[in-house]
Amino acid sequence: EAQVTQNPRYLITVTGKKLTVTCSQNMNHEYMSWYRQDPGLGLRQIYYSMNVEVTDKGDVPEGYKVSRKEKRNFPLILESPSPNQTSLYFCASSYSHGDLNYGYTFGSGTRLTVV
Amino acid sequence: GENVEQHPSTLSVQEGDSAVIKCTYSDSASNYFPWYKQELGKGPQLIIDIRSNVGEKKDQRIAVTLNKTAKHFSLHITETQPEDSAVYFCAASRRGGGADGLTFGKGTHLIIQP
Repeated sequence: EAQVTQNPRYLITVTGKKLTVTCSQNMNHEYMSWYRQDPGLGLRQIYYSMNVEVTDKGDVPEGYKVSRKEKRNFPLILESPSPNQTSLYFCASSYSHGDLNYGYTFGSGTRLTVV
Repeated sequence: GENVEQHPSTLSVQEGDSAVIKCTYSDSASNYFPWYKQELGKGPQLIIDIRSNVGEKKDQRIAVTLNKTAKHFSLHITETQPEDSAVYFCAASRRGGGADGLTFGKGTHLIIQP
């Protein structure tokens, strides 16, 4: 089944303890992205990647890191989490065909709580 | 950057009636406009999209219209059913989605009353 898989689904951690949320897609998509979803603010892009070793900041990158060493994986790293990073996180992937780019396929989400 | 406004934030309709959700965008260079449906506990799912070279697109009970001059686009759902209850997001992008990300509206909670 074509999908984007995130782990873990739920995570509670303490301020300052480094964590990684993994994301993997099995569709051979070149584009991947991380979004956070907060009540009243909708979905906001954190980082995106256009291909292996190519990443760029989205609208809210502060406090996050990403890497794209393989095409299928795009982990999100929080080096020193803070309570304002408590949120619902989504990984997504998409592709292009000829001149056309296509909308994202989203994972099921990771609910992160930082205490 | 792009700014997408979405209205209403909550919409309640009777089962069988139509629902319309409207979005406006600010970047005249945007040319790809997808709509996502998010059910409770799940990630957003693409339900329909439209590019700037067409004014309307239909898929069974759902349709999207685009007015590039006015910079607004709308989602129309006809003959609504209980399973249509969800949060719907519109989005806009210059390069058609994945290449530079999507800017989302804040969402519309659609409630279908039995």
